[in-house]
Amino acid sequence: SAVISQKPSRDICQRGTSLTIQCQVDSQVTMMFWYRQQPGQSLTLIATANQGSEATYESGFVIDKFPISRPNLTFSTLTVSNMSPEDSSIYLCSVEVSATSYEQYFGPGTRLTVT
Amino acid sequence: QKEVEQDPGPLSVPEGAIVSLNCTYSNSAFQYFMWYRQYSRKGPELLMYTYSSGNKEDGRFTAQVDKSSKYISLFIRDSQPSDSATYLCAMSAAGAGSYQLTFGKGTKLSVIP
Repeated sequence: SAVISQKPSRDICQRGTSLTIQCQVDSQVTMMFWYRQQPGQSLTLIATANQGSEATYESGFVIDKFPISRPNLTFSTLTVSNMSPEDSSIYLCSVEVSATSYEQYFGPGTRLTVT
Repeated sequence: QKEVEQDPGPLSVPEGAIVSLNCTYSNSAFQYFMWYRQYSRKGPELLMYTYSSGNKEDGRFTAQVDKSSKYISLFIRDSQPSDSATYLCAMSAAGAGSYQLTFGKGTKLSVIP
């Protein structure tokens, strides 16, 4: 497994502003992901953070709204841009620690409220 | 029809009971099946991971996969108040891009002392 930390753990932001969420892993991992968990909904994959190249976004998510960085194998950031109340959600990073297993481990999440 | 269906509950049981949590799915390409436990205001914690059909046991937890019925289960024996959490099923297909997990909405479980 892996120990994953996220900053901030929660935030309240005003509409129209941006927030950057950090994800730090205690060991090098090949795959890092960002998810959104909205109340009463399934976890939804936003994008795969690729080290040294642009992130791969899932349908319905775009780089302008959710820019992602991954400068090395232990760290990634997700920015939620030009926020609206609909962006209020829990944002989670996850990692896959083995290339031969599809087990994913999640961070504690960032609870975002947009007013 | 959603890809993964999971009864959201809530499910309330007395301490010591056997708990059965279930998910059904429609995508026959799913081969990797996971159960996560999520405590309130925490991230999901991987509980069980199985490949293809069959059973897997870990302490008080048993994961069961029936691919012919597209049905997976998680059994918790001798349930404890500390088992009170939301349980999420997740699954993935094999092959390129298979890291993408499809989750159920989660079942909220309360174990009453």
